[in-house]
Amino acid sequence: DAGVTQSPTHLIKTRGQQVTLRCSPISGHKSVSWYQQVLGQGPQFIFQYYEKEERGRGNFPDRFSARQFPNYSSELNVNALLLGDSALYLCASSLWAGGTVGANVLTFGAGSRLTVL
Amino acid sequence: ILNVEQSPQSLHVQEGDSTNFTCSFPSSNFYALHWYRWETAKSPEALFVMTLNGDEKKKGRISATLNTKEGYSYLYIKGSQPEDSATYLCASSIYNQGGKLIFGQGTELSVKP
Repeated sequence: DAGVTQSPTHLIKTRGQQVTLRCSPISGHKSVSWYQQVLGQGPQFIFQYYEKEERGRGNFPDRFSARQFPNYSSELNVNALLLGDSALYLCASSLWAGGTVGANVLTFGAGSRLTVL
Repeated sequence: ILNVEQSPQSLHVQEGDSTNFTCSFPSSNFYALHWYRWETAKSPEALFVMTLNGDEKKKGRISATLNTKEGYSYLYIKGSQPEDSATYLCASSIYNQGGKLIFGQGTELSVKP
């Protein structure tokens, strides 16, 4: 069974451009989360989607948006890129169905490394 | 604001040494504490998730404990091996936001043969 897959693995953009990152969850996982990891820091929560609905949003500007498709794959979009958006973007999927039943144990992809020049 | 702190930031040990790391988190509205292991060029991998005060989990030579009243968790590695070299991340979630994990900055472990 394939793990969480992300594309592209690496990309270089210039300031002001827009980027779309893609993620396919593990089969059977309906929840997808996005995290940003800057060197030297832990992953920082950006979004969580479950059944195509946004279930959580981190402290990121409106330039960041995401969506989840009927097949549970997801896209993260970042507009008007800034130098500070350079980071590793991690996607994770889980069986978590919301509420207070069980903990959200994440299975991560390998990440998309974005460099903004 | 939920802050999760890990110490030490990095650790260098010899093969065979036992070691432990600390994760501290706010105890109010606590929901779950996760430990992940992240090897270079790979994806973070879940080690343990704990929810109850006093929980202890074990996986081979690695074990973890949880104290929700004082807001800390310990990760222990017995007889470290070079293949244990990785960054160990802890993450906490709070009640009613269980899907959102707040990660610490990680402890980078290097085990020399």
